[in-house]
Amino acid sequence: KNEVEQSPQNLTAQEGEFITINCSYSVGISALHWLQQHPGGGIVSLFMLSSGKKKHGRLIATINIQEKHSSLHITASHPRDSAVYICAAAGGTSYGKLTFGQGTILTVHP
Amino acid sequence: EAGVAQSPRYKIIEKRQSVAFWCNPISGHATLYWYQQILGQGPKLLIQFQNNGVVDDSQLPKDRFSAERLKGVDSTLKIQPAKLEDSAVYLCASSFDTGTGGYTFGSGTRLTVV
Repeated sequence: KNEVEQSPQNLTAQEGEFITINCSYSVGISALHWLQQHPGGGIVSLFMLSSGKKKHGRLIATINIQEKHSSLHITASHPRDSAVYICAAAGGTSYGKLTFGQGTILTVHP
Repeated sequence: EAGVAQSPRYKIIEKRQSVAFWCNPISGHATLYWYQQILGQGPKLLIQFQNNGVVDDSQLPKDRFSAERLKGVDSTLKIQPAKLEDSAVYLCASSFDTGTGGYTFGSGTRLTVV
């Protein structure tokens, strides 16, 4: 079993829909990262969370430390949001090292 | 603020050849990471430096991979000799605080071994 599990693995949505991607982790963490990767592109850091909730534009990230669970929400989705979204846990047994989930492939159709 | 710079962006080599990748982290970032991302998988940590010292290289295939970070700034990752299964994107990242992160990733080097 992976230490960081994401769901769903693939997600297809129509433009304007509300999207949720879930991440569960089994390791102790110092922070939980949400990352975005476009095809052929590098990785962009979206959020780093250690508690509560963060919002940036149409993106919202939440974390529940007790339940070891985080969610990434996209409101009013747009085709340009199509990308791979990855959650990664920082800390645990290796200080600062990221343990990555397998990623969620999001496709938003116009 | 300039991002994490990596070069080259793409590299195609034949198996058994050597290759080197370069990374220049964000100024002042003490921690530097090299990750390997095979197509369809999440990135896997190869090596983590804190300044010019190695913190974690447990997943680095040391028989063929080597990395250094002279003077605690730039870093190079070398593969010698390359195998077909080394085809991947090699990502460099840096952070200013190993405790709570603050990661910045480079755009990666896509290596194809034929």
